[in-house]
Amino acid sequence: GAGVSQSPSNKVTEKGKDVELRCDPISGHTALYWYRQSLGQGLEFLIYFQGNSAPDKSGLPSDRFSAERTGGSVSTLTIQRTQQEDSAVYLCASSLLAGGGVDTQYFGPGTRLTVL
Amino acid sequence: AQSVTQLGSHVSVSEGALVLLRCNYSSSVPPYLFWYVQYPNQGLQLLLKYTSAATLVKGINGFEAEFKKSETSFHLTKPSAHMSDAAEYFCAVSLPTGNQFYFGTGTSLTVIP
Repeated sequence: GAGVSQSPSNKVTEKGKDVELRCDPISGHTALYWYRQSLGQGLEFLIYFQGNSAPDKSGLPSDRFSAERTGGSVSTLTIQRTQQEDSAVYLCASSLLAGGGVDTQYFGPGTRLTVL
Repeated sequence: AQSVTQLGSHVSVSEGALVLLRCNYSSSVPPYLFWYVQYPNQGLQLLLKYTSAATLVKGINGFEAEFKKSETSFHLTKPSAHMSDAAEYFCAVSLPTGNQFYFGTGTSLTVIP
């Protein structure tokens, strides 16, 4: 069956430009997560959606980062005025149930963002 | 606060040798524990998870992990390494309540022929 998909797979942008990263979760999955994976770092939690609402935005690094989810499905992570330190792989994951705990997350292949 | 520590960012083993990847956690309540594997240019894939049932958990591809509360550890093992096991491995912890998963920094496994 279809897994989590992300687009684009690679994005190169210039410092100061805005970028949008897209995530298509597994159909029917209630929860959706965004993570950032930097070289030599673990996965850094960014934001979590339960349905279309985001009860936990605590991981967003700055107000340049925002995310939305529509129709309980597709999510978009937007980074405004990109900086070189934003360069990383951005991973999206979805899970069937709402919330963490024991539920398994299914990850997309990620979007590699490079800010020049 | 919850945290995960993976000792050894890089581990090399010979093909056929024992694989041991270490994970220690800190948590104020009994956690759920996970091991994920990431192959090059792919997303993370669940290997196994501990959910407070049996302390020895068997996963895919011959991997297993043992939850040791007294040592706050959840080390991943495989008796005999295969070339296809070369990948990045991540340990993660979550709580019965809440919605965050806390990941370690990962261990890159190299298998030497």
